[in-house]
Amino acid sequence: GDSVTQMEGPVTLSEEAFLTINCTYTATGYPSLFWYVQYPGEGLQLLLKATKADDKGSNKGFEATYRKETTSFHLEKGSVQVSDSAVYFCALSNTGGFKTIFGAGTRLFVKA
Amino acid sequence: EAGVTQFPSHSVIEKGQTVTLRCDPISGHDNLYWYRRVMGKEIKFLLHFVKESKQDESGMPNNRFLAERTGGTYSTLKVQPAELEDSGVYFCASSQGARGNTIYFGEGSWLTVV
Repeated sequence: GDSVTQMEGPVTLSEEAFLTINCTYTATGYPSLFWYVQYPGEGLQLLLKATKADDKGSNKGFEATYRKETTSFHLEKGSVQVSDSAVYFCALSNTGGFKTIFGAGTRLFVKA
Repeated sequence: EAGVTQFPSHSVIEKGQTVTLRCDPISGHDNLYWYRRVMGKEIKFLLHFVKESKQDESGMPNNRFLAERTGGTYSTLKVQPAELEDSGVYFCASSQGARGNTIYFGEGSWLTVV
């Protein structure tokens, strides 16, 4: 069945460092891909999404490109801030958004 | 506009007891979903309502879990009797009718079974 694998955390970075969180997926067909973020004490929020190959999703300085040839959707940010500390979830939807499959989540700590 | 709200935010119960979690979706959202994250693992789909009907309940782990959505508005998820392995975070989410629309999640209900 469909699945998502993302790098284990926690990831600890200093402020202004470059961030990469790896995500790969297994799916039939052409899934939509997502990154969700959960800040401390809050619910899941959609961070960005891409619906077809070579699409780049971006939001709040974060980017991820849908790579069908490598079945990947890595999350990147050029300069992280303390406020980016959160848990990040990679996810896919292969049914048009009605059922979302998540990775295990990667906790990010950013130190001042 | 209010987001998806869940109650209670935290619950600690003893093994064998019953717990009922409630979710109020965003007004006008026909689709309502339940997910859970157990022991820091991946967030897993439990079920999907379209209005008051269960569209997909393939993720429900066993018959100790019962979800309802009376009148197509709020939903409840009852765990009876609760087991230790049920501990985790239960997320509710909702979306508007069409496929591909953004899914909005609540803050989650943290359940601890002791």
